[in-house]
Amino acid sequence: GESVGLHLPTLSVQEGDNSIINCAYSNSASDYFIWYKQESGKGPQFIIDIRSNMDKRQGQRVTVLLNKTVKHLSLQIAATQPGDSAVYFCAENGGSNYKLTFGKGTLLTVNP
Amino acid sequence: EAGVVQSPRYKIIEKKQPVAFWCNPISGHNTLYWYRQNLGQGPELLIRYENEEAVDDSQLPKDRFSAERLKGVDSTLKIQPAELGDSAVYLCASSRGQISGNTIYFGEGSWLTVV
Repeated sequence: GESVGLHLPTLSVQEGDNSIINCAYSNSASDYFIWYKQESGKGPQFIIDIRSNMDKRQGQRVTVLLNKTVKHLSLQIAATQPGDSAVYFCAENGGSNYKLTFGKGTLLTVNP
Repeated sequence: EAGVVQSPRYKIIEKKQPVAFWCNPISGHNTLYWYRQNLGQGPELLIRYENEEAVDDSQLPKDRFSAERLKGVDSTLKIQPAELGDSAVYLCASSRGQISGNTIYFGEGSWLTVV
């Protein structure tokens, strides 16, 4: 869904289901992307990254897909667990070697 | 290895008062960042250091915000005087160098409430 002001897009899933979190980025110069997980009261935690010369990258239970044509990034979490409940941010580098620009985030809630 | 350490974790101050946040990055990380995160938003970069040099402070509101990293290790971020709109989480992060190939690690954040 769309986010307005303080309202985060939200995704609610059942434990064991697969989750897909989407992100639209804006800067066509971006060639490096990262997904972060932020639990309540904590700082963002690195999950997985992908360079623009790839369209898919897999980690442990997570997969990131990149579609440069439509400037879209997605994070897939397999067999979602209650511990996956958090806000997920995508970040792009805008072509910079040092600067990251974060999106608004998606709140994932996993129901037992 | 120890993570990025920030203090204080929580601070409540009255408007117009000063406040300072401290950050100890991961050992060996020469790049240090300060980000600000408003409620429900993603972090936004305030300043980036390469060792002791501030190489990107374009987003730092210089009329009231200042930062330093005198010996290229620990860093402090100061706000003087604080305004109501400064209420946010101030995140410190560090990395070994360029973000591509070097993970940026974040601290737990310093939660500021200005009343």
